[in-house]
Amino acid sequence: GESVGLHLPTLSVQEGDNSIINCAYSNSASDYFIWYKQESGKGPQFIIDIRSNMDKRQGQRVTVLLNKTVKHLSLQIAATQPGDSAVYFCAERRYGGSQGNLIFGKGTKLSVKP
Amino acid sequence: IAGITQAPTSQILAAGRRMTLRCTQDMRHNAMYWYRQDLGLGLRLIHYSNTAGTTGKGEVPDGYSVSRANTDDFPLTLASAVPSQTSVYFCASSAGTGKGGYTFGSGTRLTVV
Repeated sequence: GESVGLHLPTLSVQEGDNSIINCAYSNSASDYFIWYKQESGKGPQFIIDIRSNMDKRQGQRVTVLLNKTVKHLSLQIAATQPGDSAVYFCAERRYGGSQGNLIFGKGTKLSVKP
Repeated sequence: IAGITQAPTSQILAAGRRMTLRCTQDMRHNAMYWYRQDLGLGLRLIHYSNTAGTTGKGEVPDGYSVSRANTDDFPLTLASAVPSQTSVYFCASSAGTGKGGYTFGSGTRLTVV
């Protein structure tokens, strides 16, 4: 079946290092992708998005890369900080239909070691 | 209010009782959603509403009902709670279907005993 998934359920990095969180998607018709951050006890927060006509998009300390050939999405966090510790979700939008169309991955937990 | 407000923050509920989780947004978003989040299962869509006056079923609608009388409010009702409905519930909204990402509330942690 079609799904959005994550290669690594947990990721532990040293403070100051760069982090890379990966996500695979299987629906080539998806046209929009989002990364969310969820801190403990809070709701998911929008981090960055990318449309399917782009390969890369940069924000503040974050970069999202999209490889449509292999249906792969990644989130890169530069100079990871303790405040980046959270669960990160990718989501894909499957254009059309009636349910809002965002399909969420199960998340990967990022732990930042001081 | 800025964004989405959910109430209550947490609740312990006896099985068989009726419960309504409240969700209010002030962004004039057309679409609203209810998700439940369980460990290992991620976010699962319960019900959604593309615009005021309309609702639809998501992935796991059984045991839940919703209404959308106006743009701002989207309450979720558990008619007769069961322990399997113990979960964290998130309300979300978006400008419209297929329009950008979702804004999430802070969640309601519900325990059914």
